[in-house]
Amino acid sequence: QKEVEQDPGPLSVPEGAIVSLNCTYSNSAFQYFMWYRQYSRKGPELLMYTYSSGNKEDGRFTAQVDKSSKYISLFIRDSQPSDSATYLCAMKVTQGGSEKLVFGKGMKLTVNP
Amino acid sequence: GAGVSQSPSNKVTEKGKDVELRCDPISGHTALYWYRQRLGQGLEFLIYFQGNSAPDKSGLPSDRFSAERTGESVSTLTIQRTQQEDSAVYLCASSFNYNEQFFGPGTRLTVL
Repeated sequence: QKEVEQDPGPLSVPEGAIVSLNCTYSNSAFQYFMWYRQYSRKGPELLMYTYSSGNKEDGRFTAQVDKSSKYISLFIRDSQPSDSATYLCAMKVTQGGSEKLVFGKGMKLTVNP
Repeated sequence: GAGVSQSPSNKVTEKGKDVELRCDPISGHTALYWYRQRLGQGLEFLIYFQGNSAPDKSGLPSDRFSAERTGESVSTLTIQRTQQEDSAVYLCASSFNYNEQFFGPGTRLTVL
């Protein structure tokens, strides 16, 4: 079992739809949970990060973490064509003074006008 | 003032050749990371530099891969005797607060 599992999609939705993206993980040592957005031929950019279980909202984006179930979600409200990108979940672990991010495979999202 | 930059943006090489990829982090960022992204895959951690500490090389897939960083500046990732399975996008990221990593645009490596 991979440390982080993410359905790679692709997912196609009409403009204005609510999008739900999800990841599960197996490593209880993960401390920070992040969502990155990656446009084609670009590097990933951080959308949101959270530390604790619960919801965190930023504009049209809501990140949700459930540590008991080892499950994180990203919701996008009123989706726009400009949201079309690959969304990667990432989780940070610090071990022995070193830290690294473990990424999901990424979900390719297309929002159709 | 600009973000993380990487060069070259694209590299095509023949199997068996050595390649060197360069990363210029954001000024003042003490941490620097290299990742590999194969087609249809997530990012795979390769190596982590933090200031003058010994780097974490635990993600390097073989001894053909090596990386250097001078102080808190430029880093180079070297792949010796390239193989076709090395074809991927190599991404560099830098960070100053341990939470947010800022990524460069990547170097797309194709090994023929």
